[in-house]
Amino acid sequence: DGGITQSPKYLFRKEGQNVTLSCEQNLNHDAMYWYRQDPGQGLRLIYYSQIVNDFQKGDIAEGYSVSREKKESFPLTVTSAQKNPTAFYLCASSTTSGTGEQYFGPGTRLTVT
Amino acid sequence: KNQVEQSPQSLIILEGKNCTLQCNYTVSPFSNLRWYKQDTGRGPVSLTIMTFSENTKSNGRYTATLDADTKQSSLHITASQLSDSASYICVVGSQTGANNLFFGTGTRLTVIP
Repeated sequence: DGGITQSPKYLFRKEGQNVTLSCEQNLNHDAMYWYRQDPGQGLRLIYYSQIVNDFQKGDIAEGYSVSREKKESFPLTVTSAQKNPTAFYLCASSTTSGTGEQYFGPGTRLTVT
Repeated sequence: KNQVEQSPQSLIILEGKNCTLQCNYTVSPFSNLRWYKQDTGRGPVSLTIMTFSENTKSNGRYTATLDADTKQSSLHITASQLSDSASYICVVGSQTGANNLFFGTGTRLTVIP
């Protein structure tokens, strides 16, 4: 899992509530990413950020929001507008040069009922 | 359309046996190909990264091959161990864009004693 931490590991919420997932890295990486993983599907990119105070939408950004106020932190908020929020969420970080190998955190499993 | 397809979807082998996982891709322009190992409920961990000019790379008992002409890669696991039980994900990076990674859906490997 490298130097990336995600918390909590398991999260339960009622439908209609917003929830924020934490992601912190101490690898001094400029870029950070949020992915969603569902059974039988490849990882899908939600948001990514290449520099502090800047971020871009990925393939499935609707219903999610992020902030990048510090280089080390990239929290993800799952809003009530996300129709199917129950999933495994993975945070990753990388350098912005070379192959840009991504290092993943341990993940947060979110269950919304 | 940029796609990454892995086969088989799942595989069961006896401890000590070898196995080979396949990855075919249509991503263009190609930049690099990565293999990740993901234990259940954990984040993916990088096994190998290969660029266009590399056709084989090893990491212990894991050996990845790349044929950029046919757009195929394989991951060979030698003398399998129970701890090899995991999902193996093929990820292809494109040269375009700040973050253009295309994820396969993975092969679920189960090693039984």
